[in-house]
Amino acid sequence: DAGITQSPRHKVTETGTPVTLRCHQTENHRYMYWYRQDPGHGLRLIHYSYGVKDTDKGEVSDGYSVSRSKTEDFLLTLESATSSQTSVYFCAISESGQGASEQFFGPGTRLTVL
Amino acid sequence: KNQVEQSPQSLIILEGKNCTLQCNYTVSPFSNLRWYKQDTGRGPVSLTIMTFSENTKSNGRYTATLDADTKQSSLHITASQLSDSASYICVVSEKTSYDKVIFGPGTSLSVIP
Repeated sequence: DAGITQSPRHKVTETGTPVTLRCHQTENHRYMYWYRQDPGHGLRLIHYSYGVKDTDKGEVSDGYSVSRSKTEDFLLTLESATSSQTSVYFCAISESGQGASEQFFGPGTRLTVL
Repeated sequence: KNQVEQSPQSLIILEGKNCTLQCNYTVSPFSNLRWYKQDTGRGPVSLTIMTFSENTKSNGRYTATLDADTKQSSLHITASQLSDSASYICVVSEKTSYDKVIFGPGTSLSVIP
């Protein structure tokens, strides 16, 4: 998976608890992204980063925050998890902006919020 | 609203047969179109990319076509194999300052012996 790891790979949590997902890359790509994938929907962008400490919102950013303190790490935080955030989360990286160059995806994290 | 639609939603074919998956989009202005393959439990992997001026692109047994006038693309799989069983996702880039991408919902392909 192009030098991208996600942790944890699976997580079950309860409503109202904070959750942090980690994406780590070894490719030194500038751009990093967090998507969620739900049945019947295409991948939807939550947040993305275009450099260390440079982040912006995607189309479904409510309830999520991100941080990028190093080139290789991009964290996604659910401050207070809700059942609607049960999903599979994918991290992706690219050298240039979202559509300008190929995106490489991580293996995904399956999150279940009870 | 920019959208990407794919058909069929799911498809079952016999090993060795050919199949064609469709993608229609309303994205404008258009930048490029990619097809991704997503195996169960894994992240998507890029198969092909086409820009406005390209109307055919091949990658082994996969051939993608693009008609930018009608805003349609197809992915043709030749001599299918069991390993082709996956979801195929059409992704269209909108030419903005950061080339926003819109993902289609995918077509689930099952190849059976």
